[in-house]
Amino acid sequence: GENVEQHPSTLSVQEGDSAVIKCTYSDSASNYFPWYKQELGKRPQLIIDIRSNVGEKKDQRIAVTLNKTAKHFSLHITETQPEDSAVYFCAASTPGTASKLTFGTGTRLQVTL
Amino acid sequence: NAGVTQTPKFQVLKTGQSMTLQCAQDMNHEYMSWYRQDPGMGLRLIHYSVGAGITDQGEVPNGYNVSRSTTEDFPLRLLSAAPSQTSVYFCASSYQYRGTYEQYFGPGTRLTVT
Repeated sequence: GENVEQHPSTLSVQEGDSAVIKCTYSDSASNYFPWYKQELGKRPQLIIDIRSNVGEKKDQRIAVTLNKTAKHFSLHITETQPEDSAVYFCAASTPGTASKLTFGTGTRLQVTL
Repeated sequence: NAGVTQTPKFQVLKTGQSMTLQCAQDMNHEYMSWYRQDPGMGLRLIHYSVGAGITDQGEVPNGYNVSRSTTEDFPLRLLSAAPSQTSVYFCASSYQYRGTYEQYFGPGTRLTVT
């Protein structure tokens, strides 16, 4: 089955700096890659996603890049703010299994003043 | 819309007891899933369903049963609780839209097995 690895497990940045979180996946058939943000005590919520036919997607301060050849994808957050502090999860899904996401182990992002 | 709802929010069980975690969604989503979340291990898929009457196992199905008799409901049954099942359980629903499948998560159930 699919295996998703995520790095780093913790990340501390100063407010205004950029943060990058990286994930690799094992199944070359995977075609959908979402990123979820989970604040303390809350449920995960989708912040951005990308399909395998797209190399990059942006939404304001957040962007995701995908390298299908190398089987890795990354989350980029620019101009970080204290409210960006949370745990971020990457995930991958293979065709025909719409509800079957394989998640990475998460990155705890701390944005300091 | 209430979205995805889960009950109870908290539960303490003794080893060997059984119980059912309830999950319901009012968005008419085809797909529903159960995940458990443990520190440092992310979200792991327990069981999932692609429609009423259809369920399949995920990554960690042992000790859990599911059924999907309606589109709205997807209960998770713990057959004989063990301390290793202490975790936070999330139910999620999703639908396909142009090749994407955003998962909508419920608020979670925090389960402790003593």
